[in-house]
Amino acid sequence: DTQMTQSPSSLSASLGDTVTITCRASQAIGNFLAWYQQKQGKLPKLLIYAASTLQSGVPSRFSGGGSGTEFTLTVSSLQPEDVATYYCHNYDSAPVSFGGGTKVEI
Amino acid sequence: QVQLVQSGTEVKKPGASVRVSCKGSRNSFSDLAMHWVRQAPGKGLEWMGGFDHEDGERYFAQEFQGRVTMTEDTFADTAYMDLSNLRADDTAVYYCAAVPTSRRGYIFDFWGQGTLVVVSS
Repeated sequence: DTQMTQSPSSLSASLGDTVTITCRASQAIGNFLAWYQQKQGKLPKLLIYAASTLQSGVPSRFSGGGSGTEFTLTVSSLQPEDVATYYCHNYDSAPVSFGGGTKVEI
Repeated sequence: QVQLVQSGTEVKKPGASVRVSCKGSRNSFSDLAMHWVRQAPGKGLEWMGGFDHEDGERYFAQEFQGRVTMTEDTFADTAYMDLSNLRADDTAVYYCAAVPTSRRGYIFDFWGQGTLVVVSS
């Protein structure tokens, strides 16, 4: 089974900053990597799939990159509404798995 | 846009079973593959299992094998997750998550609002 490790587990940044979250897979998963945003008390929301494809309606300040075993989620010009926990998700094949999450605060 | 509406909070005793339902907007299930994800209080997301629309098989995370059943009533556009032999550490919010069958792999485009299951004696 593929394990997903996210770092950092939490971060604090200022409005307008650029933040980057890293996700590492225990084995190569190609580009079968998605990112979700979960605000406190809310359901997860798909942001990015195929490592770098932005889901429809997601602001362009979100971007994803990487392939194989190392992936990144970058949020440019951090906004108040970006306060959330972000999860990477390996969806290559069952059993799929999530990273442990990165809590972003301002 | 697909809407998924789940059943309400459940409180169960250890050893009991629970059924959580997830109803989709009309005629949505023919184009969706349903999965279930849970989240313990203050913890991350944990995939439980679901239907693989590419090979037609249903897969489960190992820790739920033999304890979970997932079914769909396509006529009623409703999915069900049954979890048996509940333990205190099964206390969590349970989400249904849907994959459009046009997708490659389990990309969860749509989520239910979550159902809190509390297991306590």
